Amino acid sequence: EDQVTQSPEALRLQEGESSSLNCSYTVSGLRGLFWYRQDPGKGPEFLFTLYSAGEEKEKERLKATLTKKESFLHITAPKPEDSATYLCAVPILRGGGTSYGKLTFGQGTILTVHP
Amino acid sequence: DSGVTQTPKHLITATGQRVTLRCSPRSGDLSVYWYQQSLDQGLQFLIQYYNGEERAKGNILERFSAQQFPDLHSELNLSSLELGDSALYFCASSPRGHLLSTGELFFGEGSRLTVL
Repeated sequence: EDQVTQSPEALRLQEGESSSLNCSYTVSGLRGLFWYRQDPGKGPEFLFTLYSAGEEKEKERLKATLTKKESFLHITAPKPEDSATYLCAVPILRGGGTSYGKLTFGQGTILTVHP
Repeated sequence: DSGVTQTPKHLITATGQRVTLRCSPRSGDLSVYWYQQSLDQGLQFLIQYYNGEERAKGNILERFSAQQFPDLHSELNLSSLELGDSALYFCASSPRGHLLSTGELFFGEGSRLTVL
């Protein structure tokens, strides 16, 4: 069964303390992996799309990388405003040659950055 | 502001009742997705509409139904409500219907449903 698993469930960092979040997946024929950020009481906000192993994307203090089995979201010198839940998601297609399907999300990693 | 509008923001109702959640996608977006988010289940895909037609279905209960109207707004109808239906319901939109070309879904702020 197609699955997306994120670890750790929660991560507490001091401001400036770099770390990484993990997203592992068991999806046959990966067709992209997406990272989102969700603030409390808000909808998820798109961060990155990665399509192939070895690909990297960066945005401010965040860098996302992709291998054949997992993706990492590296946070360099985080600030308190980076505190949020980070979600990864993969598309699960309907099959039969269609490009329609569902975006399946992991359970998320709750990141808290203390000043 | 993602440009996706959901109403109501909060809704409290009783078991057995029926509610309708409304979503207005971003201007020009043809595709609407509905997701349910609860503490124990995370973000679960319910259903997708593209230009008025159903395109993909997740684990949506038979008590739930949705539609997308000609003006592209969408409604999610939840009936015979149970305590376990309490959750945040998100609507997301994207310009296209093909999941692979979207990646970026624009989410609304959600409708928080509480069933007592």
